[in-house]
Amino acid sequence: DVKVTQSSRYLVKRTGEKVFLECVQDMDHENMFWYRQDPGLGLRLIYFSYDVKMKEKGDIPEGYSVSREKKERFSLILESASTNQTSMYLCASSSPSEGEQYFGPGTRLTVT
Amino acid sequence: ELKVEQNPLFLSMQEGKNYTIYCNYSTTSDRLYWYRQDPGKSLESLFVLLSNGAVKQEGRLMASLDTKARLSTLHITAAVHDLSATYFCAVSRRGSNYKLTFGKGTLLTVNP
Repeated sequence: DVKVTQSSRYLVKRTGEKVFLECVQDMDHENMFWYRQDPGLGLRLIYFSYDVKMKEKGDIPEGYSVSREKKERFSLILESASTNQTSMYLCASSSPSEGEQYFGPGTRLTVT
Repeated sequence: ELKVEQNPLFLSMQEGKNYTIYCNYSTTSDRLYWYRQDPGKSLESLFVLLSNGAVKQEGRLMASLDTKARLSTLHITAAVHDLSATYFCAVSRRGSNYKLTFGKGTLLTVNP
């Protein structure tokens, strides 16, 4: 079974703090994704990586950056957290040949 | 820009009844996915539809794809309470390394 894990299920941070969300997958997938999920808005793609050290902006990259130093690990960074970044963050991975994305359990981030 | 619309967004139904969730998308795509999300949990893959006329069934759920109409349906037969969840359709963006655009989700509540 594909397993995608995220470093925290719940996180509370203060405005202005630097926040790291980590995602690890064990299926040797090339593609990894970060989404945020908000009520009424569905899932929105923040960043996408198709290889180590390669990244592409998604639909809402502002206020976020990412890092992929190893194939299995994809980190989402909030350089200076703001209250409007309070959300559920979901990581996913896929292989280019299949396309089907496998999701991690999610991190519920609250910025106060 | 690829847009994905689901309807209805909220569906309350009685056990034993049948219903259909619709997923329309705006531009040509080559793959369509259905996911389920239980409250507080992550997304679980239900179906991957790869070609026009594709039909897949799992238990009381059946998904179909009409690429000419840019429409997928998720049909629920004889609903049971365990099917209560949020259902998302997602469409891959052609030529994009299988980045997905998600619909906003349909919150299904099955009442006894």
